[in-house]
Amino acid sequence: DIQMTQSPSSLSASVGDRVTITCRASQSIRSYLNWYQQKPGKAPKLLIYAASSLQSGVPSRFSGSGSGTDFTLTISSLQPEDFATYYCQQSYSTPHTFGQGTKLEI
Amino acid sequence: QLQLQESGPGLVKPSETLSLTCTVSGGSISSSSYYWGWIRQPPGKGLEWIGSIYYSGSTYYNPSLKSRVTISVDTSKNQFSLKLSSVTAADTAVYYCARRNLALAGTGDAFDIWGQGTMVTVSS
Repeated sequence: DIQMTQSPSSLSASVGDRVTITCRASQSIRSYLNWYQQKPGKAPKLLIYAASSLQSGVPSRFSGSGSGTDFTLTISSLQPEDFATYYCQQSYSTPHTFGQGTKLEI
Repeated sequence: QLQLQESGPGLVKPSETLSLTCTVSGGSISSSSYYWGWIRQPPGKGLEWIGSIYYSGSTYYNPSLKSRVTISVDTSKNQFSLKLSSVTAADTAVYYCARRNLALAGTGDAFDIWGQGTMVTVSS
């Protein structure tokens, strides 16, 4: 199985901050990397697919980059509604695996 | 607007079989661009992919659960289902159904639409 490791596990930030979350794969997954946002009691929401493509309807302050084994999710200017948990997920091979999550707190 | 809705018992006894159904509305389950999957999340923990199915019935499962999992599809009802046998307390989780979209731009392949999730507790 491909292991996905996110860092940090938790992060404190303020409205207006620029935030970066990192995801590392245990082997190359090319660009088969997705990012999700999950708020308490809600289903995950797709933000970024194929490492850097913004899902329809997602604000442009979210961006993704990387390929191979190292990836980043960046939020350029945090908004109050962005405080949530973020997960990366690889779709390169089965089993599809997720990172352990990064909780973004105020 | 495509929507997914999970249904099934919220309480299952240990050693019994957990059964859930996902109903797809607002679109057809019989599309060549999509797989349909199950993902779970134990309380306070991360996400675990359980398995996926194509409308033709082709399936693939997480090896860690494969011996206990069966996913099936009923195209006439626009539904797909999950059965997980011999459950224990470790199977207590929120279970989500989701659409895996293979038609996203470039190398896009992601779970783009999710159900709201259903909590299943394993307890006697």
